[in-house]
Amino acid sequence: QVQLVESGGGVVQPGRSLRLSCAASGFTLSTYAIHWVRQAPGKGLEWVAVIWYDGSNKNYADSVKGRFSISRDNSRNIVNLQMSSLRDEDTAVYYCAKDMRFSSSFMDVWGQGTAVSVSS
Amino acid sequence: EIVLTQSPATLSLSPGERATLSCRASQSISTSLAWYQKKPGQAPRLLIHDASNRATGIPARFSGSGSGTDFTLTISSLEPEDFAVYYCQQRPNWVGTFGQGTKVEIK
Repeated sequence: QVQLVESGGGVVQPGRSLRLSCAASGFTLSTYAIHWVRQAPGKGLEWVAVIWYDGSNKNYADSVKGRFSISRDNSRNIVNLQMSSLRDEDTAVYYCAKDMRFSSSFMDVWGQGTAVSVSS
Repeated sequence: EIVLTQSPATLSLSPGERATLSCRASQSISTSLAWYQKKPGQAPRLLIHDASNRATGIPARFSGSGSGTDFTLTISSLEPEDFAVYYCQQRPNWVGTFGQGTKVEIK
């Protein structure tokens, strides 16, 4: 079945880096855009980044621009989120989500999430 | 930047009642809006896309309407499993944003 599985979360000190991965199965990854969305403890959903089906377009929330980088390897069915200069406020559960389309629109399949805690 | 404002923040209702949730955009977004359901410990679930289209497998009691700046999610008769937080999301001009959410709680 269509599935996304995130990995790479954990506890990291402020200022350090972490890479999250999203492994796709059950569908042709190269056909769809992929998003990262996060939810901080007790807060709402926050969209983080998107990468188009072929990697030609990437966009980021202002809160992570210049610190996070999204990439994809369609041959390996993986999308990564490289997070640098991490801050306390980046603490959240991070979800990857498949877009309904090749470009950026709405998210119809979600992973179970991976938790990131930024703490000294 | 387009801001989505949801109201009310909390809706207290009983099973079987009708729920009406609102999402207002700070400028026109045509019908480029989705609704998601979020329960604690679970991933979000797409309910409605393009303002009024039910996603695959979503029960008919969920419906969406609106265009331009004003949108509504209606749950015609609340089931016990519908008590959750609901978010609207605009289809981005490259960048996506969510509303702050409406919690539907049991009265």
